Amino acid sequence: GEDVEQSLFLSVREGDSSVINCTYTDSSSTYLYWYKQEPGAGLQLLTYIFSNMDMKQDQRLTVLLNKKDKHLSLRIADTQTGDSAIYFCAESRGSASKIIFGSGTRLSIRP
Amino acid sequence: GAGVSQTPSNKVTEKGKYVELRCDPISGHTALYWYRQSLGQGPEFLIYFQGTGAADDSGLPNDRFFAVRPEGSVSTLKIQRTERGDSAVYLCASRYLAENTGELFFGEGSRLTVL
Repeated sequence: GEDVEQSLFLSVREGDSSVINCTYTDSSSTYLYWYKQEPGAGLQLLTYIFSNMDMKQDQRLTVLLNKKDKHLSLRIADTQTGDSAIYFCAESRGSASKIIFGSGTRLSIRP
Repeated sequence: GAGVSQTPSNKVTEKGKYVELRCDPISGHTALYWYRQSLGQGPEFLIYFQGTGAADDSGLPNDRFFAVRPEGSVSTLKIQRTERGDSAVYLCASRYLAENTGELFFGEGSRLTVL
């Protein structure tokens, strides 16, 4: 079946790096996503990676994919207070398929 | 507007009543998705449409839930004989399938409270 799991909370100091981890079960996953949800706002796509890639970097964001272990991580460099949000890992089998979300990791930033 | 629009933003109803939630996707987006999000949880997939037809309705919890998209644009999620456990935020999302990223664009949701 399809399942996506994440730890519920992460607290980091402002300026440090945040690493949010995710595991998934569907070996047919083709696209893996990170979405961000801020209070009172809709979910927004942060970044994505194809299953044939190991790493993707986009400014302060680095996504690492270990397909063998079905493990995905999101690293946010130089974490700022504006990064406080819930981060959802998600996967799908293709661009025409449903997207399955994890339960989200709440990132809090301490001064 | 430019984004996904959902109405109503809030709906309070009594147990046993019928509810309709509306989604107006981004113009030109062929795929439309419905999700349900309970407090502290991630979005739970319900159904998605490609054009007018339901391509995957495997997430609908039971036959009280039904969705339509008669003209391939606006969609309505219908819930019959509502129960307290149906209380959640119902999210709609759309995307243009020709794009490789498969990015979903979400609306702000319809918060349903069943008393």
